[in-house]
Amino acid sequence: ETGVTQSPTHLIKTRGQQVTLRCSSQSGHNTVSWYQQALGQGPQFIFQYYREEENGRGNFPPRFSGLQFPNYSSELNVNALELDDSALYLCASSLDRGMDGYTFGSGTRLTVV
Amino acid sequence: KQEVTQIPAALSVPEGENLVLNCSFTDSAIYNLQWFRQDPGKGLTSLLLIQSSQREQTSGRLNASLDKSSGRSTLYIAASQPGDSATYLCAVSLVTGGFKTIFGAGTRLFVKA
Repeated sequence: ETGVTQSPTHLIKTRGQQVTLRCSSQSGHNTVSWYQQALGQGPQFIFQYYREEENGRGNFPPRFSGLQFPNYSSELNVNALELDDSALYLCASSLDRGMDGYTFGSGTRLTVV
Repeated sequence: KQEVTQIPAALSVPEGENLVLNCSFTDSAIYNLQWFRQDPGKGLTSLLLIQSSQREQTSGRLNASLDKSSGRSTLYIAASQPGDSATYLCAVSLVTGGFKTIFGAGTRLFVKA
């Protein structure tokens, strides 16, 4: 059974650019959620996808968007990057909307310069 | 709006001590609560999951309790070890206004050898 994998592990982008982060869910999981974690803070919920549809969203602007694919892998897209978008982005997968808890990946460290 | 608070923010204890980490939440309409461990710059490792209908869960030296009516959870660590040094995060999942998972800011634990 594979865990949650995220790519890339590190990324440097310039302000105004766009970025796509990827996540492969743990085998058997049909739900994926994304979080932003700034240094020294707890993760902030961005959104959650269940069977390819968004079923929950946190307080993030529309330039944060996502997709979940038929194999339940997922992408997080961020447009018009700002310096404050620099953070660790975490992906988590679960079965049936988190009813059995979440398994996290190791994250993607995004730096916006 | 659901808010999650963790006390203390940081804790330093000698090896062998038993300790309690606290988590409080403002809205009791949760469907589960999960405790995680995070090492610096890494992803989250799940420790214990408590469903809303449960009062406690145990795994090895760890015991987590949940009191929904008072909006509190505690994580008890017995016989602490230097390897327990990490940040401990609690997260509540809820369905109000769509699925969300809300994290506390964490407790940074340092166990001295």
